[in-house]
Amino acid sequence: DAGITQSPRHKVTETGTPVTLRCHQTENHRYMYWYRQDPGHGLRLIHYSYGVKDTDKGEVSDGYSVSRSKTEDFLLTLESATSSQTSVYFCATGQHQPQHFGDGTRLSIL
Amino acid sequence: EDQVTQSPEALRLQEGESSSLNCSYTVSGLRGLFWYRQDPGKGPEFLFTLYSAGEEKEKERLKATLTKKESFLHITAPKPEDSATYLCAVQVLTTDSWGKLQFGAGTQVVVTP
Repeated sequence: DAGITQSPRHKVTETGTPVTLRCHQTENHRYMYWYRQDPGHGLRLIHYSYGVKDTDKGEVSDGYSVSRSKTEDFLLTLESATSSQTSVYFCATGQHQPQHFGDGTRLSIL
Repeated sequence: EDQVTQSPEALRLQEGESSSLNCSYTVSGLRGLFWYRQDPGKGPEFLFTLYSAGEEKEKERLKATLTKKESFLHITAPKPEDSATYLCAVQVLTTDSWGKLQFGAGTQVVVTP
């Protein structure tokens, strides 16, 4: 167990509201990642971080922002949630590739 | 365009019936190929990394192999606890120091007693 905690585990919200998902790690890994997983698409990278305050975009970053003010915490924010952002969100950590994943946040946007 | 395709989409096996999963890829340059196992309601669990054609890795009843165009995950004499979705991902070689992973859609394996 790599000590990754995602919160909340489930959330239902309305279109247009901001949503923040949290990922907390206890292993001091340098890299942290946010993925979304949708049927038929596999895991797709949203954003990643290679250190405190160092972040970069992934392949599906539109509508999402991230922040990393401490090594152990990586936040994902949906600035104005849309129904297309209904998904399961996974946080991961690792040295240069995602090796440890959290158990996900199931987000439904109505 | 970089692509990763896994086949079959689903596989049903009897306990003890060995089989193989396929991950074929088309990328401009391969830095590494990764296999993960995912149980329902859980995040993926890392299994193997392969870096060059001809390389093989083993873990219990699982063996991963790599060629220049595809990777196979062989499941030998599977048990019900091997039931899961198996994901492969490729890390593309880029001019950046970090190559992003591109995941396949996965193969769902069910092993019945």
